[in-house]
Amino acid sequence: AQKITQTQPGMFVQEKEAVTLDCTYDTSDPSYGLFWYKQPSSGEMIFLIYQGSYDQQNATEGRYSLNFQKARKSANLVISASQLGDSAMYFCAMREGQGGAQKLVFGQGTRLTINP
Amino acid sequence: DSGVTQTPKHLITATGQRVTLRCSPRSGDLSVYWYQQSLDQGLQFLIQYYNGEERAKGNILERFSAQQFPDLHSELNLSSLELGDSALYFCASSGDTSSYNSPLHFGNGTRLTVT
Repeated sequence: AQKITQTQPGMFVQEKEAVTLDCTYDTSDPSYGLFWYKQPSSGEMIFLIYQGSYDQQNATEGRYSLNFQKARKSANLVISASQLGDSAMYFCAMREGQGGAQKLVFGQGTRLTINP
Repeated sequence: DSGVTQTPKHLITATGQRVTLRCSPRSGDLSVYWYQQSLDQGLQFLIQYYNGEERAKGNILERFSAQQFPDLHSELNLSSLELGDSALYFCASSGDTSSYNSPLHFGNGTRLTVT
């Protein structure tokens, strides 16, 4: 079963608009972390934001915020006031508390295109 | 800049050959992870090392192997290469292998093309 699901293969947004990228996850572990990464066309993987399973408040980092709905098992990334440079692939990922290695499991990604 | 260094950036080789990808983790990070990113499989976890010891194995083929050296740099060896091995290979490092709330910091990747 997929642990991380990103249902939007691609999204097109006008510059300066806010955008929400969806992510749902599946785990029975009470301890886990949720992460978002950005991959521009140049290929590097850039860490954006983190949310822990026990965090009471939604994480924010500049223009990025994470809409964490634990009961729904969703962790959507919200980008406010989008910019042309936000065009990239975005990956949602999860680390679970059990299992020793706590590897990062990724979703399939959403390709975001910001139109001028 | 994540602080994780991968070399080379690009590698073009023929089927049947063997290549070595190198990774230097961020200063102070003891844990190194290798991932493969291909168009059809997405980002797949291959293997993890912590302070020189193998900690976890993912979808790593028997033709692939890795190690982490005393200075903490890691190498991923790919042998008997096939066309399907063409992909972007990432190395990532983390300071705390036991914590689920510690992000992985990725290098810029090595793009392998097998012809």
